[in-house]
Amino acid sequence: DIQMTQSPSTLSASVGDRVTITCRASQSFNYWLAWYQLKPGKAPKLLIHKASSLQSGVPSRFSGSGSGTEFTLTISSLQPDDSATYYCQQHNMYPYTFGQGTRLEIK
Amino acid sequence: QVQLVQSGAEVKKPGASVKVSCKASGYSFPNFAIHWMRQAPGQRLEWMGWINPATTVTKYAQKFQGRLTITRDTSASTSDMQLNNLRSEDTAVYYCARDRGGTSQGDDASDFWGLGTMVTVSS
Repeated sequence: DIQMTQSPSTLSASVGDRVTITCRASQSFNYWLAWYQLKPGKAPKLLIHKASSLQSGVPSRFSGSGSGTEFTLTISSLQPDDSATYYCQQHNMYPYTFGQGTRLEIK
Repeated sequence: QVQLVQSGAEVKKPGASVKVSCKASGYSFPNFAIHWMRQAPGQRLEWMGWINPATTVTKYAQKFQGRLTITRDTSASTSDMQLNNLRSEDTAVYYCARDRGGTSQGDDASDFWGLGTMVTVSS
């Protein structure tokens, strides 16, 4: 199985900050990587697909990059609504696997 | 608008089976695969499998082979996930989600998710 490791596990930042979350894979693949936002009581939300493509309706402050074994999710200017847990997922090889999550807190 | 509405919470005893339903609306159900994922308390999300609603072809994570069955009813635009021989480690929130690919092959990200169904396994 491809192991996905996110860092950091928790992150505290202020409104307006630029934040970056990293996802490292145990095996290399091109771009079959997605980023999701999870909030309690809400349906998970797809933010980024194919490593760097912004999902329709997602604010442009979210961006993704990377290939191979290292991928990043960047929020260019943090907003209060961005408080959530973020997960990466590889869907390059079965079984599809997720990172352990990054909990983002707004100071 | 695309919606996936899941059935309600379940409490089951060890060894029992659970079936969770997912009703889709707002799009052509046969054209998009449905994924099932789960998240146990304090754990990461875990992909379980997908179904091609047009052909009933399924793909399961090896971990669940023999215990998991994903089905669909195209007339009702629903997908069901049944997990047998439940154990305490199966306590989790179970999600259905639509594959964004539109090829029904289950090889893309999941663009619309249900709210989740809590399944508790306890004696």
